[in-house]
Amino acid sequence: IQLTQSPSSLSASVGDRVTITCRASQGISSYLAWYQQKPGKAPKLLIYAASTLQSGVPSRFSGSGSGTDFTLTISSLQPEDFATYYCQQLNSYPRTFGQGTKVEIK
Amino acid sequence: QVQLQESGPGLVKPSGTLSLTCAVSGGSISSSNWWSWVRQPPGKGLEWIGEIYHSGSTNYNPSLKSRVTISVDKSKNQFSLKLSSVTAADTAVYYCARGPPTTMVRGGSFDYWGQGTLVTVSS
Repeated sequence: IQLTQSPSSLSASVGDRVTITCRASQGISSYLAWYQQKPGKAPKLLIYAASTLQSGVPSRFSGSGSGTDFTLTISSLQPEDFATYYCQQLNSYPRTFGQGTKVEIK
Repeated sequence: QVQLQESGPGLVKPSGTLSLTCAVSGGSISSSNWWSWVRQPPGKGLEWIGEIYHSGSTNYNPSLKSRVTISVDKSKNQFSLKLSSVTAADTAVYYCARGPPTTMVRGGSFDYWGQGTLVTVSS
């Protein structure tokens, strides 16, 4: 299953609302996770089951969607949120990731 | 708190075999979870390599299946990756991660990750 994220990169300011989209090449129900990765660091789980916030993740992060279309929203971008975000499907094998969306400072 | 730590050679010669180990602490590899390997070429995205359960059951990415072996050592609480016939295209940061419990045929997530280790394929 191919996952396509859009945009590939975006520039935003602190306080902005940011939305990243992940589209699956076929239906994956709600079996989607979102990760944040900072340079030189391992990915960090943000959301699983499309909309369930991982423990300890700030509530400004939210996820939605099912089937083939999913979104990750950051309600008010903070300085520590500048990073690359990946979606991942766990509906079937092989597990696949989107190509990533880089969130940069405007 | 589960912690994972990758170890192994940082340099492998072309046509050789890449070998890495992931040590698990703060939890048991005999838990109900899958244990995965993921890699990331420099400046690129994430690629799932495969996973293992403590029973020895495995799932591999078809794109790498002919060259990959993942094994588990319950006595050392660790699992390992071997990738044969490597080329420069296998140069990447390799991560180990804890996957979903096996009771979840679908769904879950990779909730704990190692820090990653860079493996360069070069003569």
